[in-house]
Amino acid sequence: AQSVTQLGSHVSVSEGALVLLRCNYSSSVPPYLFWYVQYPNQGLQLLLKYTSAATLVKGINGFEAEFKKSETSFHLTKPSAHMSDAAEYFCAVRLKDGSSNTGKLIFGQGTTLQVKP
Amino acid sequence: DTEVTQTPKHLVMGMTNKKSLKCEQHMGHRAMYWYKQKAKKPPELMFVYSYEKLSINESVPSRFSPECPNSSLLNLHLHALQPEDSALYLCASSQDTGQGWNSPLHFGNGTRLTVT
Repeated sequence: AQSVTQLGSHVSVSEGALVLLRCNYSSSVPPYLFWYVQYPNQGLQLLLKYTSAATLVKGINGFEAEFKKSETSFHLTKPSAHMSDAAEYFCAVRLKDGSSNTGKLIFGQGTTLQVKP
Repeated sequence: DTEVTQTPKHLVMGMTNKKSLKCEQHMGHRAMYWYKQKAKKPPELMFVYSYEKLSINESVPSRFSPECPNSSLLNLHLHALQPEDSALYLCASSQDTGQGWNSPLHFGNGTRLTVT
């Protein structure tokens, strides 16, 4: 079954340092991949999405992700972390439901990003 | 500001109560979703409506009853819930469910439900 795996449930970086959040997907067909962010007591906000038009995807708030088919990865990066980036980050994949031909969004386990001053 | 509006923001209910969660979107999306999220966990899909018809029920207990009165509204009726049903309930919408697999889901801020 297709799924996404986020390596590292908790990542801690210093303010100004590089942010790298890892996501690997399991699929024989290039899936539709997304990164979402969730701030405390809020819903999920779309950071970026991969749509096969380009392997390097730029999102909001300075984040970007690179799709690497050979590594089945879609890691999220940001060159310089800001205190406001502290949140929960979810990698997700859009899958076709077998019985209904409907698209489901399935999430990885999430990575908590801590930014230290 | 989110384009998907959920009410109420917080809800406390007893195990014998009947309550409803409401969700509204005015983006013209034809697919709407209910997710349940426990603390420190990812959202889990409960239901999907496509063109106002229920297309996915992820084996959700019958004490949760979804309803889609029209393309802009989605309700979740709650009855005889258990304390373990306490969670954040998230509503989402997307442009379509079929051909546009790159259509992202737009989420509301959720309803924080506590069952006592």
